[in-house]
Amino acid sequence: EVQLVESGGGLVKPGGSLSLSCAASGFTFGSYTMNWVRQAPGKGLEWVSSISTGGNDRYYADSVRGRFTVSRDNAENSLYLHMNYLGAEDTAIYYCAREGWGEQNFDYWGQGTLVTVSS
Amino acid sequence: QVVLTQSPSASASLGASVKLTCTLSSGHSSYAIAWHQQLPEKGPRYLMKLNSDGSHSRGDGIPDRFSGSRSGAERYLTISSLQSEDEADYYCQTWDTGIRVFGGGTKLTVL
Repeated sequence: EVQLVESGGGLVKPGGSLSLSCAASGFTFGSYTMNWVRQAPGKGLEWVSSISTGGNDRYYADSVRGRFTVSRDNAENSLYLHMNYLGAEDTAIYYCAREGWGEQNFDYWGQGTLVTVSS
Repeated sequence: QVVLTQSPSASASLGASVKLTCTLSSGHSSYAIAWHQQLPEKGPRYLMKLNSDGSHSRGDGIPDRFSGSRSGAERYLTISSLQSEDEADYYCQTWDTGIRVFGGGTKLTVL
């Protein structure tokens, strides 16, 4: 069974930093492109970042480029998102999502971890 | 850049069918999309991929009450025999080089 479990969310002050993790199981993690998607309170889904199987290709939404860094450890079956210079607009539930093998549609999602940016 | 447009809300009666629409922006009418369901207070769940030729492939465990189709730049999700547990937000998603895109979502109410 494919499982994606996010962790690391919490309360952080404006301007602060936070790192999220996503533990994957039930599939060959290193064979799949992975993504971070977020959802602000009461809002829709917003794609944040994508990382290729080997980690060589990384893409970011304009809203986070230069502040967020995506990485992965295929040996540990883990995906990460390091977030700097956080602002209130970054308050959201952060989900990790797997892309289908050889596809670009997301086919599995985690349950999310909440990040709250507030003083 | 590709943009997806969805109506904010839709409603249909228990046991009926409903067709949700996702419209691709000009110049992107050949793109494939995916549909995702988000139940209240839950994470999203993948429903299906809808290819540019109108064929679709459902995710694991998704019942055949959920089907996809297309017409031009419009992509549809049809849910038949509506059940109360189908009340949710539905998002379409597409992709291009270096970017993934979501529609704004449609909130479906089952009457």
